[in-house]
Amino acid sequence: QSALTQPRSVSGSPGQSVTISCTGTSSDVGGYKYVSWYQQHPGKAPKLVIYDVNKRPSGVPDRFSGSKSGNTASLTISGLQADDEADYYCYSYAGSYTFVFGGGTKLTVL
Amino acid sequence: QVHLVESGGGVVQPGRSLRLSCAASGFTVSSYAMQWVRQAPGKGLEWVAVISHDGSNKYYADSVKGRFTISRDISKNTLYLQMNSLRAEDTAVYFCAREADTSLVIDYWGQGTLVTVSS
Repeated sequence: QSALTQPRSVSGSPGQSVTISCTGTSSDVGGYKYVSWYQQHPGKAPKLVIYDVNKRPSGVPDRFSGSKSGNTASLTISGLQADDEADYYCYSYAGSYTFVFGGGTKLTVL
Repeated sequence: QVHLVESGGGVVQPGRSLRLSCAASGFTVSSYAMQWVRQAPGKGLEWVAVISHDGSNKYYADSVKGRFTISRDISKNTLYLQMNSLRAEDTAVYFCAREADTSLVIDYWGQGTLVTVSS
C-alpha cells in the first residue's frame, strides 16, 4: 500500500494549462479503470473532479480532464483560474477492495 | 441532499481508544459502501478503511489493521471507526466518505474530525 507518486508542486499562469501526473504500479493505477482525482482547498474536504480515469462529475467544468497510460494517470487543467489553486490528489483502486492515494500536488496559479 | 457529519474526535493519550461516529443523512448507509480517510496535519490523504454496502466485508490499510474497526448501525444511519492502541502517528483529521454506487470512487465527504494522540 505505498502512496502513488505525484509531483509535490506545479504552477501556471491564468489561462494556461497544467498537467499533474500520478504514477503507480500494475497493481493499482495500471491495473484498473478506477482512478479518480480530488481537489482540496485549505481547511476543506476534498472535492471529486475526475473519476474512472476521464469522467467528470456533474458540475465540474470541462477545463478538467483526465487520462491514463500504463501505470501513470494524469490530470490536466486548462484555462487556469485563480480558484483552481489548491492541492490535488489522485486515488486508485488497488485490488482486494483496498485503495491508495497519491502524495498530493500543490497547484499554484501565478 | 447528502450530508455526512463526523464526531468523536479529541485529544487522547497513546495506547488509549477512541470511537469516531459519522451521521449520514440524505441516503441510507445500508445502500452504499462507506470509507474512512485521514489526513495528518500538513500532510496528504491516507485511505484507512472501507465497509461494503451490505456490511459483510471490511478492509483496512496496513497501518491500522488489527487496531481499527469499521462498523455501522443501520437503525441510526451512522458509520463508526473504533480506534484502539492509538499512536502519535494516528494524529489526523478523519474524514467519513461515501463510495459511489456506480464506481469505486468517493463521491461525498464529511468535513472531518480531528484526533490528536499525545501524552
